[in-house]
Amino acid sequence: AQRVTQPEKLLSVFKGAPVELKCNYSYSGSPELFWYVQYSRQRLQLLLRHISRESIKGFTADLNKGETSFHLKKPFAQEEDSAMYYCAGAGANNLFFGTGTRLTVIP
Amino acid sequence: DAGVIQSPRHEVTEMGQEVTLRCKPISGHNSLFWYRQTMMRGLELLIYFNNNVPIDDSGMPEDRFSAKMPNASFSTLKIQPSEPRDSAVYFCASSLAGVEKLFFGSGTQLSVL
Repeated sequence: AQRVTQPEKLLSVFKGAPVELKCNYSYSGSPELFWYVQYSRQRLQLLLRHISRESIKGFTADLNKGETSFHLKKPFAQEEDSAMYYCAGAGANNLFFGTGTRLTVIP
Repeated sequence: DAGVIQSPRHEVTEMGQEVTLRCKPISGHNSLFWYRQTMMRGLELLIYFNNNVPIDDSGMPEDRFSAKMPNASFSTLKIQPSEPRDSAVYFCASSLAGVEKLFFGSGTQLSVL
């Protein structure tokens, strides 16, 4: 079965420290992966997708097929990065999510 | 565009009552998704529609749950009868084409007492 796994429910880092939110996937065929973010009192929204190979708000995520991972990284965490982060994979016309990681950046 | 609109924002009801959640997708979007969010299980896909047709409802937990999309601008998710374990945040999302980018509504916080 296709799935994405986020092993950490909670993650706390200090402001200015590097942050890595883990995501592992199990996929048949070529994976199509995304990161979504939900800031406090805001809607869940797309952060980035692996096919774009983009950097959004300083975050990057690289697909590692050897480790079947798609970890989200940022070199220097900011307080405004505190949010709920979901890794997601595309199935046949649907999107399935991991259980999410709540990131707290400590001032 | 106001984005995906869900109503009500909050719903408190008693066990056994019928609950109807509503969603208005973004105009022009042809895919609509219903998700349920809980602390333990995160975001679970309940059902999705493509061009108003239900494509996959395998995520619907029980027969107590049903969803309809009578036209391109409206969908409902109904729970009858509701139970305390149905308490969660229910999200509706729509997309223009496939799953390249989903736009989520603000969600409905459901509490079943």
